[in-house]
Amino acid sequence: TQLLEQSPQFLSIQEGENLTVYCNSSSVFSSLQWYRQEPGEGPVLLVTVVTGGEVKKLKRLTFQFGDARKDSSLHITAAQPGDTGLYLCAGAKSDKLIFGTGTRLQVFP
Amino acid sequence: DVKVTQSSRYLVKRTGEKVFLECVQDMDHENMFWYRQDPGLGLRLIYFSYDVKMKEKGDIPEGYSVSREKKERFSLILESASTNQTSMYLCASSWGFLAGYNEQFFGPGTRLTVL
Repeated sequence: TQLLEQSPQFLSIQEGENLTVYCNSSSVFSSLQWYRQEPGEGPVLLVTVVTGGEVKKLKRLTFQFGDARKDSSLHITAAQPGDTGLYLCAGAKSDKLIFGTGTRLQVFP
Repeated sequence: DVKVTQSSRYLVKRTGEKVFLECVQDMDHENMFWYRQDPGLGLRLIYFSYDVKMKEKGDIPEGYSVSREKKERFSLILESASTNQTSMYLCASSWGFLAGYNEQFFGPGTRLTVL
């Protein structure tokens, strides 16, 4: 089973701080998705990156796909309490997604 | 608005019981998935289906089976529940031929406790 390791596993920060979440694998993926899961809900897609080196921005969130398509990062600028949740990366392998281990983010006001 | 519903939010069962988890999607999606979610392990794929009556094993199929008799419904069955199957179970659906490339829509999850 291919593994996608995320780091850090937990992150607790104050509102206004910046943070970066990493998603690493030894496998190459065709594309990579990032999901956010809030308590009591299923994960919801934030973004899909497809091309090696691709950068996508979603308001204060910046997603990057590694040049070799083995890793990805999520950077949040000026975090807000509404960013609190579990962040999951997921690599695409033809007929299924391989999910990462998750990063639980808590942003305090 | 797209919707994936799961039959129960919380379920408590005893060791050895047969357990059915139901999932229904209203988006006419071809693909449906069952995952279990455990802290520090992310989501692990149990089974998936890309068409009615079709099923494929995921990464951790042992102790589980599935049924897809209608396109909109995908059932997960624990033939004889064990305590190590205590977990959050998530159902998802997606459209498209190569399921790995497309957005998956998730239900709210069923938290199963096996005593």
